[in-house]
Amino acid sequence: ETGVTQTPRHLVMGMTNKKSLKCEQHLGHNAMYWYKQSAKKPLELMFVYSLEERVENNSVPSRFSPECPNSSHLFLHLHTLQPEDSALYLCASSQDQWSEQYFGPGTRLTVT
Amino acid sequence: GENVEQHPSTLSVQEGDSAVIKCTYSDSASNYFPWYKQELGKRPQLIIDIRSNVGEKKDQRIAVTLNKTAKHFSLHITETQPEDSAVYFCAASRGGSTLGRLYFGRGTQLTVWP
Repeated sequence: ETGVTQTPRHLVMGMTNKKSLKCEQHLGHNAMYWYKQSAKKPLELMFVYSLEERVENNSVPSRFSPECPNSSHLFLHLHTLQPEDSALYLCASSQDQWSEQYFGPGTRLTVT
Repeated sequence: GENVEQHPSTLSVQEGDSAVIKCTYSDSASNYFPWYKQELGKRPQLIIDIRSNVGEKKDQRIAVTLNKTAKHFSLHITETQPEDSAVYFCAASRGGSTLGRLYFGRGTQLTVWP
């Protein structure tokens, strides 16, 4: 399963650190997504990019900053996070809004 | 926005029995309803989906039904096997300007006992 890859797979960071999550899709899709998955909560959509343009920012705090330099890559820049931001961050991609979303393996983030 | 409710949150069945997971949605404009399976430590993967122009879809042991009037849809797994054990998520979406906006349910932890 190498269609959507994410790095790193695990990340521990302090509240004052700055780090970035990376997602890459090898499927030729036009849309990419960031989701947050916390224990006992639904998958929460954070950002949607279509053809490298952000089309949705789902009321996400500014300490999360996405970047989509091209249709194959998506980043999530993190700074001054809080412990409650600890979660699994999933990237996904799809051909269009009617198509299946393919998820990456996720980055398990722990904020100390 | 859309609100998707999923029940039950946990479900245990004996191998060979059937399992049913139900979801309701609030937005009558939703027209795409996928189901994802997430095994422990793995990524969610689509197992079946249904669009609003049909009422039922089947793929081997898995079927999904949709009742647009009542705004609910269900996942049916027959002849369950231990490898069916996972968390199952329903979702709802509508096409148009909200590209790919999937609203997920909270998930159902299915355990199939051998």
